[in-house]
Amino acid sequence: DAGVTQSPTHLIKTRGQQVTLRCSPKSGHDTVSWYQQALGQGPQFIFQYYEEEERQRGNFPDRFSGHQFPNYSSELNVNALLLGDSALYLCASSLGSTGELFFGEGSRLTVL
Amino acid sequence: AQSVTQPDIHITVSEGASLELRCNYSYGATPYLFWYVQSPGQGLQLLLKYFSGDTLVQGIKGFEAEFKRSQSSFNLRKPSVHWSDAAEYFCAVAPLFGNEKLTFGTGTRLTIIP
Repeated sequence: DAGVTQSPTHLIKTRGQQVTLRCSPKSGHDTVSWYQQALGQGPQFIFQYYEEEERQRGNFPDRFSGHQFPNYSSELNVNALLLGDSALYLCASSLGSTGELFFGEGSRLTVL
Repeated sequence: AQSVTQPDIHITVSEGASLELRCNYSYGATPYLFWYVQSPGQGLQLLLKYFSGDTLVQGIKGFEAEFKRSQSSFNLRKPSVHWSDAAEYFCAVAPLFGNEKLTFGTGTRLTIIP
C-alpha cells in the first residue's frame, strides 16, 4: 500500500516564476492538507482540500493556490515566487477531518 | 490564536538514558494535541495524540506523553532511548476535534550518543 507520494522531490526556481507541486494521497484517503516547512521551523498550515473544495486556509497570500482532483490527488501552485518561499512543502492525507494525518516526504523548493 | 512552544532546540542524551521533551501550548479551549517525529529526509510520523480522557497517553515506539492542563503542557517521554530515536520532534495543537489547521512548534532536535 503506497503512502503519500509527492513530486518533484527537489526543484530550483528563480524569483517571479511559478511552481506546481503534486501530491497523491494514501489509498482510501479523501482529504489533502498542505504545509510549508521553512528551514529550522515547524510546518505551517497552508490549506486543506476535501471534495475538491478548499475547506480551511492558513495565513498565506493568494499567490498560494491549490486544487483537488476527483481521484483525490492535489496540486499546490505558487505564483510570483519570492526568496522566502524556499522551503520544504509537505502534503498530508487523511480520511476526513478526524482521521490521522499521513505525511509525504515533501518537495524541497529553492528560489534563487 | 493557538500557539505551541518547544523550549529546547537541541537535546543530547546517551543511549539507554531516559528522555523528556517539553511542549507548552496556548489555546482557550480543550486542545487536541499531537507529537510527531521527523527523521532526515522523511515526512512526519505521528507518535501519539490526546483529545480527552486519560491524561497519560501511550504512543508508538515506546513513547508516552502526559497532558497537564494546569501547566498547559504536553511533554513527551521515553524511559530508555535507542540510537534510532535520533530525529526532530514536533509538538502540535489543533483547534477542533480533527486534523484541520495544525499549529506546530519549532521542534526539538534529539541527538543520541553511544
